[in-house]
Amino acid sequence: SAVISQKPSRDICQRGTSLTIQCQVDSQVTMMFWYRQQPGQSLTLIATANQGSEATYESGFVIDKFPISRPNLTFSTLTVSNMSPEDSSIYLCSVVPTQSDYEQYFGPGTRLTVT
Amino acid sequence: LAKTTQPISMDSYEGQEVNITCSHNNIATNDYITWYQQFPSQGPRFIIQGYKTKVTNEVASLFIPADRKSSTLSLPRVSLSDTAVYYCLVKSGAGSYQLTFGKGTKLSVIP
Repeated sequence: SAVISQKPSRDICQRGTSLTIQCQVDSQVTMMFWYRQQPGQSLTLIATANQGSEATYESGFVIDKFPISRPNLTFSTLTVSNMSPEDSSIYLCSVVPTQSDYEQYFGPGTRLTVT
Repeated sequence: LAKTTQPISMDSYEGQEVNITCSHNNIATNDYITWYQQFPSQGPRFIIQGYKTKVTNEVASLFIPADRKSSTLSLPRVSLSDTAVYYCLVKSGAGSYQLTFGKGTKLSVIP
């Protein structure tokens, strides 16, 4: 298993500003992902955070808007840049532990409100 | 990836068995079926994964017919704490990490 923490748990930000969300895992993991869950909606994969290389983004998401860092096997950050009210969502990171074949573990999420 | 269809919501009384059926007509040979549970204000949690026939763990059972075009998640004797959204996902391969979430089924357990 894996225990995941995210900081901040929630924030209220003004449009045009940026917020960096941190994801910390209690063990080294191979795969880390970032998802977005808009109010009342399902989860959408933003990108795969690759250790030592650039993140791999899904269609509709770009690095300039959602830069991601993965400096080591237990930590990643997602920045939401130049925010607008449409960015108001819950942002979740997930991991696949090294010893897991397929089970993903999700963090508690960061609830972002942009005013 | 095969598209999944499941009921938007279901209600059940405490102590009853709940069966949530998911349709995935275009499932491919290498695809696996996996289910996640999400409580309010929490991230999803893995429940069960299967390829065919029946899989059972301490939480649920997953029934997959021979044609694999649908699957049924069975929760025995639900309690109020089982109130959550349940997502059916189809993955390309057992070890695939690409999860595509649909709308899920909101299960409400009534006392």
